[in-house]
Amino acid sequence: DVKVTQSSRYLVKRTGEKVFLECVQDMDHENMFWYRQDPGLGLRLIYFSYDVKMKEKGDIPEGYSVSREKKERFSLILESASTNQTSMYLCASSSVAETGDSSQPQHFGDGTRLSIL
Amino acid sequence: LAKTTQPISMDSYEGQEVNITCSHNNIATNDYITWYQQFPSQGPRFIIQGYKTKVTNEVASLFIPADRKSSTLSLPRVSLSDTAVYYCLVGGLGVGTYKYIFGTGTRLKVLA
Repeated sequence: DVKVTQSSRYLVKRTGEKVFLECVQDMDHENMFWYRQDPGLGLRLIYFSYDVKMKEKGDIPEGYSVSREKKERFSLILESASTNQTSMYLCASSSVAETGDSSQPQHFGDGTRLSIL
Repeated sequence: LAKTTQPISMDSYEGQEVNITCSHNNIATNDYITWYQQFPSQGPRFIIQGYKTKVTNEVASLFIPADRKSSTLSLPRVSLSDTAVYYCLVGGLGVGTYKYIFGTGTRLKVLA
């Protein structure tokens, strides 16, 4: 069974801090994703990566950066945390279909609830 | 990008069949339709995926009409443990591209 592990379930940080959220998957998946989830807004994509050192912006990349140095690990970085980044952060991974252009299900971690004070 | 529209909430009773319909009028040719389930304090979990007609697995069925502008998730004989938020997702992945929009989901409440 695919396992996506996020390093913390709960995290409290202060405004202006640099914050690192870590995600590790154990299924050798090519694709990895970072979302944030807020009440009434559903899940919104921040960044995704389709290969080591490759990244693409999602819908709301402002104030965030990512790092993928190894295939199994995808890090989300809040360069200078602000209170409006208080949210639930979800990491996901997926494989690539053999045809190369179809949709493989995403497997999610259980999230990190981040509070910025 | 294909935007999806789902009912905000639904109530049902144990043992009933529940159908949740998702509208996606501007679905593209290469897009797949995927449904996820999310419990509180957990990440979404994959339920079922389809491209056209009908797909069935051990937990649900997915009905997709010929025009693919909508889809219906069918949960047979729901139980209290099926109380969750259900997301319809339309899109797909090409190399280096991402075409997904998660809507706000349908909050299903199953009553005893």
